[in-house]
Amino acid sequence: GAVVSQHPSWVICKSGTSVKIECRSLDFQATTMFWYRQFPKQSLMLMATSNEGSKATYEQGVEKDKFLINHASLTLSTLTVTSAHPEDSSFYICSARDEGPTNLKQYFGPGTRLTVT
Amino acid sequence: AQSVTQLDSQVPVFEEAPVELRCNYSSSVSVYLFWYVQYPNQGLQLLLKYLSGSTLVKGINGFEAEFNKSQTSFHLRKPSVHISDTAEYFCAVISGNTGKLIFGQGTTLQVKP
Repeated sequence: GAVVSQHPSWVICKSGTSVKIECRSLDFQATTMFWYRQFPKQSLMLMATSNEGSKATYEQGVEKDKFLINHASLTLSTLTVTSAHPEDSSFYICSARDEGPTNLKQYFGPGTRLTVT
Repeated sequence: AQSVTQLDSQVPVFEEAPVELRCNYSSSVSVYLFWYVQYPNQGLQLLLKYLSGSTLVKGINGFEAEFNKSQTSFHLRKPSVHISDTAEYFCAVISGNTGKLIFGQGTTLQVKP
């Protein structure tokens, strides 16, 4: 089946620094990618929808200037957490949608665990 | 707005017993429904989905779910669970007018020997 990769799988950074997370669809093209955030033992919360070649659409309450999303190609979307703080520590999961006809197949990456110290 | 409610946060069950994980949704338009499983320290894996057609959907690992429009439910069932089914299970919905996949709170299935 389709594979979505994320890099890095885990990262530790100091408060105030920025961290970039990459999400790639490995064997299909994804015009739409999604970024989710998951706190321990909680559900996935949709942060934003990333569309290739256009600006991302952020969910209510998500700071677009803090969580920068770039969908530069049909196989790559990046999430940059700017000026990270300890409260940004979380599990970030990307997802890519295979836009085949009547498909609605959405594949998930393995996630990136961010720890801000 | 669409939403998903998983009524049970934890479901403990003995091995080889049947299990049902409950899921209810709310949406004013047509919906597509999904169940995902997340094993410890792993990514999400699709168990099954309902897009249209038969309301009884069979998925991987012996799981099945039934779409009930009148009760706005999409409960997940398995007639006999294994220890290896211990995981977090998420119900999710895409409504026709948003295209966004929204998750329920998750249910932890704990299979005991």
